[in-house]
Amino acid sequence: QVQLVQSGAEVKKPGASVKVSCKASGYTFTRNTMHWVRQAPGQSLEWMGWINAGDHNRYYSQKFQGRVTTTMDTSASTAYMELSSLRSEDTAVYYCARDSGRDWLLDYWGQGTLVTVSS
Amino acid sequence: EIVLTQSPGTLSLSPGEGATLSCRASQSVSSSYFAWYQQKPGQAPRLLIYGASSRATGIPDRFSGSGCGTDFTLTISRLEPEDFAVYYCQQYGSTPLTFGQGTKVEIK
Repeated sequence: QVQLVQSGAEVKKPGASVKVSCKASGYTFTRNTMHWVRQAPGQSLEWMGWINAGDHNRYYSQKFQGRVTTTMDTSASTAYMELSSLRSEDTAVYYCARDSGRDWLLDYWGQGTLVTVSS
Repeated sequence: EIVLTQSPGTLSLSPGEGATLSCRASQSVSSSYFAWYQQKPGQAPRLLIYGASSRATGIPDRFSGSGCGTDFTLTISRLEPEDFAVYYCQQYGSTPLTFGQGTKVEIK
């Protein structure tokens, strides 16, 4: 079965960077794009961008352009999301979500990684 | 950016009752690219409905979706105890992908 297992919670200071990992299993990793979505405490979901596991093409929401970088290690079936210049408003749970392969539909999600930004 | 507005914010219902959740888009969304998710506290969202009306794998038939253009609906025919959660609508036809603000279905 498809599983996405994310790295553990992080606490960072303002201005720092954070890198979250997402290890996939149960499917052929290079066949599906991976998306990243975040959720601030008590808030809705906010899409950040995607990376294609086959050709590593990326697309980011304009809101995060310049601050977010998504990468992949296909040999380890792991995707990464790095967010830089952290501020308190970046405190959120960050999710990886697999693209079903059908028009950006997010069909499986990781368990989430809480990133807390605090001085 | 397509803005999705869900209503109501909260639904207070009893197990066995039916629920109707609405989502309105700021511009037309192709029905092929509209989804609903369920989220329980401390858990990741779970895909319920895609293509506006198709149930995802393993989703019981008491969940149904409908709508087109700018107005979409999620219907739960008879609420089970495990259905009390927050529900989000989402469009995935254009970037940025966007979500509604959520409807909480709580036990009355």
